[in-house]
Amino acid sequence: DSGVTQTPKHLITATGQRVTLRCSPRSGDLSVYWYQQSLDQGLQFLIQYYNGEERAKGNILERFSAQQFPDLHSELNLSSLELGDSALYFCASSALDTQYFGPGTRLTVL
Amino acid sequence: AQSVTQLGSHVSVSEGALVLLRCNYSSSVPPYLFWYVQYPNQGLQLLLKYTSAATLVKGINGFEAEFKKSETSFHLTKPSAHMSDAAEYFCAVSDARAGGTSYGKLTFGQGTILTVHP
Repeated sequence: DSGVTQTPKHLITATGQRVTLRCSPRSGDLSVYWYQQSLDQGLQFLIQYYNGEERAKGNILERFSAQQFPDLHSELNLSSLELGDSALYFCASSALDTQYFGPGTRLTVL
Repeated sequence: AQSVTQLGSHVSVSEGALVLLRCNYSSSVPPYLFWYVQYPNQGLQLLLKYTSAATLVKGINGFEAEFKKSETSFHLTKPSAHMSDAAEYFCAVSDARAGGTSYGKLTFGQGTILTVHP
């Protein structure tokens, strides 16, 4: 158990819908990262937050957004969903040089 | 920009045999390097990391990796494979900023699926 929690574990929705994925970092970790894992793209960095502020952006679509709240939990919002958004979404947190990953949310878009 | 190449998307070994998973990286700054393991339907678990200290790094479950700057490699080895080692392994490089309070994104290789035969 990494100490990073993600909810829900599975999410099934339809094209065009909007979903929110939630992540709670390890106690004391200020940085939260989001990654997408898909068969064709592999593991890709989406976005990083540090203590409530956006720090870095990767290959994140404009339809996706994220935020980190004062209690340090983070949410990833995915809107206007397409079939290609089906993937495993991971959250990771870190205090220093090592990222610890949550169990992921498997999103299926039908 | 940073990149990671894992040579061999599938590696198959017999139980008790040497495990060697290859990773080469590209980085414009001294890299921080990681190996993660992913078991089916689970998240990524850290095996070991290199952050500019000893070049031979020991991790969990008997794995180790050696950082070779001249070869830009960070290969993962284990002397004797167990059935429980069957999983997918990812090599990653970080664009960490040394001395800062925030450490950077990970760039992952495509992964290597390790199969262990009895």
